[in-house]
Amino acid sequence: AQKVTQAQTEISVVEKEDVTLDCVYETRDTTYYLFWYKQPPSGELVFLIRRNSFDEQNEISGRYSWNFQKSTSSFNFTITASQVVDSAVYFCALSRRISGNTGKLIFGQGTTLQVKP
Amino acid sequence: SAVISQKPSRDICQRGTSLTIQCQVDSQVTMMFWYRQQPGQSLTLIATANQGSEATYESGFVIDKFPISRPNLTFSTLTVSNMSPEDSSIYLCSVSTGTVNFFGPGTRLTVL
Repeated sequence: AQKVTQAQTEISVVEKEDVTLDCVYETRDTTYYLFWYKQPPSGELVFLIRRNSFDEQNEISGRYSWNFQKSTSSFNFTITASQVVDSAVYFCALSRRISGNTGKLIFGQGTTLQVKP
Repeated sequence: SAVISQKPSRDICQRGTSLTIQCQVDSQVTMMFWYRQQPGQSLTLIATANQGSEATYESGFVIDKFPISRPNLTFSTLTVSNMSPEDSSIYLCSVSTGTVNFFGPGTRLTVL
């Protein structure tokens, strides 16, 4: 069975601090996809990143970076120099690789990030 | 990418009634999904909407309660039947473009 665990329910930081959101997953599949989504107070789900299981390169996009470690089944997300606009709920999700495509997503419980000015 | 619209965006319904939610995508997609997000919770998959055949439901969800239609590759509906206050949630339509899964804006349902 597939499972995603985000152990941090809520994190509060002061603006400009760095913050890391943890994600640990379980799957018996050898190939799969991992995702991060942001859900701001407005409610829409915003896609942030997708990572293939066979690509363990870390990725950086502006203030965002992701650390994928297959050996520990983790896909952690770091925000550098956090800003108030980063305040949101962040979800990690897992999908099987179906004929090379993404399938249904299994979500973690989400981490609520509050960035205080 | 895919642009997804849902109707209605929100509704307040009486116990025992049914509501049908529509999901429209701006391009043809093979895989469409319906999720539920209860207040303060994560997203839970209700079912995969299959074009031209019956939806595939996840454990804990049944067709009688959540009938789904998928008449073509750009449209699907989810009906929440015989509603109770426990059905108060946000219902989200999602699609896989093959490389990324996108989500609609959601339908916020309140059952009194």
